[in-house]
Amino acid sequence: DSGVTQTPKHLITATGQRVTLRCSPRSGDLSVYWYQQSLDQGLQFLIQYYNGEERAKGNILERFSAQQFPDLHSELNLSSLELGDSALYFCASSVGPPTGKGTGELFFGEGSRLTVL
Amino acid sequence: DAKTTQPNSMESNEEEPVHLPCNHSTISGTDYIHWYRQLPSQGPEYVIHGLTSNVNNRMASLAIAEDRKSSTLILHRATLRDAAVYYCILIFVNKFYFGSGTKLNVKP
Repeated sequence: DSGVTQTPKHLITATGQRVTLRCSPRSGDLSVYWYQQSLDQGLQFLIQYYNGEERAKGNILERFSAQQFPDLHSELNLSSLELGDSALYFCASSVGPPTGKGTGELFFGEGSRLTVL
Repeated sequence: DAKTTQPNSMESNEEEPVHLPCNHSTISGTDYIHWYRQLPSQGPEYVIHGLTSNVNNRMASLAIAEDRKSSTLILHRATLRDAAVYYCILIFVNKFYFGSGTKLNVKP
């Protein structure tokens, strides 16, 4: 158990809908990272937050947004869903702060599996 | 994006050492090299990381080339539980970029 909690574990929805994925980082971790893992593209970095502020952005679509709340949990919002958004969405946390030098390790949750029909 | 290159798959026999290579020719001077692995149906888990010197921990060893353009993850005695996808990662401006990884198959 990594200490990172993601909910829901599974979610099935229809195209055009909107969903929210939630992540609770390990106790004491200030950084949260979101990744998307689909069958044909491996793990894609989406976005990172540190202590409530966005710190790094990857290949995140405009239909997707995220935020980190004062209690440090984070939510990833996916809207106008398309079939291609079906994937595993992972949240990871680290103690931080992000130094750009990668000295800290990431702790991953078990992921939220999204299926868009 | 900082890039890494790994073989798509490797095979090992149980209880034998495994050497997983990674090329990262675009590495910059202060980038750390991280290795993670992803067991089936689980999220990735940290294995080891290093900067210049070789590193050892309870899970594995990391050998880093002198020019830092490549590294090798060493599992000293592979077990069936080590069957996973192993990712070599460079950190670029706070972003942990995962490549496609090496799928390790361990034969009993």
